[in-house]
Amino acid sequence: EPEVTQTPSHQVTQMGQEVILRCVPISNHLYFYWYRQILGQKVEFLVSFYNNEISEKSEIFDDQFSVERPDGSNFTLKIRSTKLEDSAMYFCASSDDGLSKQYFGPGTRLTVT
Amino acid sequence: AQRVTQPEKLLSVFKGAPVELKCNYSYSGSPELFWYVQYSRQRLQLLLRHISRESIKGFTADLNKGETSFHLKKPFAQEEDSAMYYCALRNNFNKFYFGSGTKLNVKP
Repeated sequence: EPEVTQTPSHQVTQMGQEVILRCVPISNHLYFYWYRQILGQKVEFLVSFYNNEISEKSEIFDDQFSVERPDGSNFTLKIRSTKLEDSAMYFCASSDDGLSKQYFGPGTRLTVT
Repeated sequence: AQRVTQPEKLLSVFKGAPVELKCNYSYSGSPELFWYVQYSRQRLQLLLRHISRESIKGFTADLNKGETSFHLKKPFAQEEDSAMYYCALRNNFNKFYFGSGTKLNVKP
C-alpha cells in the first residue's frame, strides 16, 4: 500500500533558525495537511492545502509558517524563525478527495534548542 | 468554538472485557467524526468514521447528535487493541480538531 513519507525523521535546530520539513504525499492525492503534536499534548491541525493554495489554517499557523508544493511530489512546511515552543512532532497527511480517509506520515520530530 | 473532548487519558481493561472510549464534541454545524488509532511505533491511521457506519476490527461508533457524542465501543477487547485512540472532528471547511487521546491498555 502506498505511504506518505516524511524527512527527516528528527531535526534539531537552534532558536531563530529556519527549518524546512519535507513530505511526499501519496502520488494521486490532491489534499495535503500538516499537523503538530507537542509532547504529551493533542494533535493540532495547522493547515490544509489544495490546488496549490491554502484552504484552511489554524491560529497556530502564523506568518512564521508557510507551505509549498515546489514540484509534483513534495509538500513542505517552512518555519522561518524557530522558537523553543515549536518543538513538536510534525505530521503530514494526504487524502485523495478531502472527504474521506487521511493517510498520515510517520512524523518529523523537531527539537529547537 | 469547535472542540473535541476525550475525558479519559488512560483506560485499562482485561482481555475479553467490553471497552468504551468516550468522545464528546462541540460544533454548531454538521460535523464529520472520526476515530484514529496509533499503535506503538506506528503512524496515525484512520480506524473508522461516522458516515461509513462500519465496524473495523470489531470497533463501532455511533454519532449521537443529541448528546454530541461519538463513543468508540468494542464488546470484547483484545491485547492487540492496546494503542492510543484519538477522536477527531472535521468541520464544514475541511479543518480538523483532535481530542487529546485515550491510551487503551488491554491486559492479558
